Amino acid sequence: NAGVTQTPKFRVLKTGQSMTLLCAQDMNHEYMYWYRQDPGMGLRLIHYSVGEGTTAKGEVPDGYNVSRLKKQNFLLGLESAAPSQTSVYFCASSRLGRGAEQFFGPGTRLTVL
Amino acid sequence: RKEVEQDPGPFNVPEGATVAFNCTYSNSASQSFFWYRQDCRKEPKLLMSVYSSGNEDGRFTAQLNRASQYISLLIRDSKLSDSATYLCVVNVNLRDNNDMRFGAGTRLTVKP
Repeated sequence: NAGVTQTPKFRVLKTGQSMTLLCAQDMNHEYMYWYRQDPGMGLRLIHYSVGEGTTAKGEVPDGYNVSRLKKQNFLLGLESAAPSQTSVYFCASSRLGRGAEQFFGPGTRLTVL
Repeated sequence: RKEVEQDPGPFNVPEGATVAFNCTYSNSASQSFFWYRQDCRKEPKLLMSVYSSGNEDGRFTAQLNRASQYISLLIRDSKLSDSATYLCVVNVNLRDNNDMRFGAGTRLTVKP
């Protein structure tokens, strides 16, 4: 099992460009999450999904959109990238149930110039 | 006040030492608590859940103090391989168990 994978691993964008980050999991997990991690701030939840076709806002959703068309995939979109979105993005998944362990992907390092 | 706060460290300890970290949380009704470990430039991984009665896993002990709203992690007999950043995670949204908050992490370096 590959677990949680993320594509791409690195990306450099110019301000105003758009891009989509792809997250895939092969553990048949219901829940999927997108986080960003910035120095000194820990991980912050951007959006999450509790099942195929559903999404919800997290702590810092502005400037991002998500889609979960298939259970195993969770896409994070940046429509018009800004330098403030320079960060490391982690995707995670977990099974149903309160307090379930979250399994993380290896992260995507995004720089917006 | 931040929802989840940790001392960023760094904690520099010799091999074999005992070290403890605390993490405070703001919502007194929070129900789920965890410690995750994150190695440099890697993804976080679950170290252990924190139960009301406290729990132990080998050299690691986690405890919850609801009255003072903090959780703790104790590492005994530190190993070089324990060097990492330790993240405290708390469920702060009681209407949504998936809405977790991560602390900024406490960095630990274990030296020979």
